Amino acid sequence: EVQLVESGGGLVQPGRSLRLSCAASGFTFDDYAMHWVRQAPGKGLEWVSGISWNSGSIGYADSVKGRFTISRDNAKNSLYLQMNSLRAEDTALYYCAKDLYPRIAAAGTFDYWGQGTLVTVSS
Amino acid sequence: QSALTQPASVSGSPGQSITISCTGTSSDVGSYNLVSWYQQHPGKAPKLMIYEVSKRPSGVSNRFSGSKSGNTASLTISGLQAEDEADYYCCSYAGSSTSQFGGGTKLTVL
Repeated sequence: EVQLVESGGGLVQPGRSLRLSCAASGFTFDDYAMHWVRQAPGKGLEWVSGISWNSGSIGYADSVKGRFTISRDNAKNSLYLQMNSLRAEDTALYYCAKDLYPRIAAAGTFDYWGQGTLVTVSS
Repeated sequence: QSALTQPASVSGSPGQSITISCTGTSSDVGSYNLVSWYQQHPGKAPKLMIYEVSKRPSGVSNRFSGSKSGNTASLTISGLQAEDEADYYCCSYAGSSTSQFGGGTKLTVL
């Protein structure tokens, strides 16, 4: 059974940093691209970032480019999101999501999702 | 990057069919057949319903279908059931390892 478990969320002041983690199990992690998708309270889904199976292709939404960094450790079956210079508008539930297609760049089709970790940016 | 455009809400009676549109640009929906649709019930994670414009994952009812014409993709739900009431989101690959979601559509089953 595929499982994605996010952690690392919490309350943080504007301008500070936070690192999210996603622990994956139940599939061959290093075969698949992975993504972060967020959802602000009461709002829609927003794709944040994606990383290919071998970290060779990485993409970011314009809203986080230059502030967030996605990475993965295939030996640890883990996905990360380093979030710097956080803003109030980054407040959201952050989901880790698995891409559907093996061994290609991040194609943006998400077949499994975690339950999310809540990030609140407030002073 | 601009969000794909979806109607904010649609409604239908049980047994009827509804269609949700998703309009993008020639840089996303119009350029790639990597359009997917997600169903999200309150407090739950999204669920993949349609991928590659019109394909259904195993376990998804054949009442759900997808299509695309030009820069607009569509999700059709036939034989509406009470459990279909949820938020629906389209998503398209937009090149350079980026993706874009629509703003979401709230489906109400009357």
